[in-house]
Amino acid sequence: NAGVTQTPKFQVLKTGQSMTLQCAQDMNHNSMYWYRQDPGMGLRLIYYSASEGTTDKGEVPNGYNVSRLNKREFSLRLESAAPSQTSVYFCASTGLTDTQYFGPGTRLTVL
Amino acid sequence: RKEVEQDPGPFNVPEGATVAFNCTYSNSASQSFFWYRQDCRKEPKLLMSVYSSGNEDGRFTAQLNRASQYISLLIRDSKLSDSATYLCVVNKHSGNTPLVFGKGTRLSVIA
Repeated sequence: NAGVTQTPKFQVLKTGQSMTLQCAQDMNHNSMYWYRQDPGMGLRLIYYSASEGTTDKGEVPNGYNVSRLNKREFSLRLESAAPSQTSVYFCASTGLTDTQYFGPGTRLTVL
Repeated sequence: RKEVEQDPGPFNVPEGATVAFNCTYSNSASQSFFWYRQDCRKEPKLLMSVYSSGNEDGRFTAQLNRASQYISLLIRDSKLSDSATYLCVVNKHSGNTPLVFGKGTRLSVIA
């Protein structure tokens, strides 16, 4: 089992460019999440999907969109990147026990 | 009151020392409790779940006090490899709702 995988690992964008961060899990989990982590800020929830076909906003959804493509995949899209979106992005998934498993993260820099 | 509150530290302790972290949570309906460990620039990983009766895993002991709404983590015989940030994690209530992460307590174990 690979667990939770994320692509890409690193990305540099210019202001205004768009990109999609990909996440997949092979643990048959229902719930998936996108977080961002900035120095001194802790993890902040961007969006989550409690089950296939549903998505909900988290604490900091502005500037992002998500797609729950199927049970395995949950993507995060930045339509028009801004320097304030420079961060480390983590995808996570949860099964029946509430235990959350994280992907290795995507380090995004917006110039 | 913040949903999950932790002392950010850093806690600087010598090898072999015993160190304890506390965490308070605001939602009395919370049902699941965890400690996660996060190494620098890596994803958070589950250290241990916290059960009502308290539980131990090797050198690590977790306790839950529902009446006072706090969780503790005790690390005995600290190792250099224990140096990390420890995140207190609580769910809001049962079901597919997002977990709430504390900002973490930083531990440095010094030789």
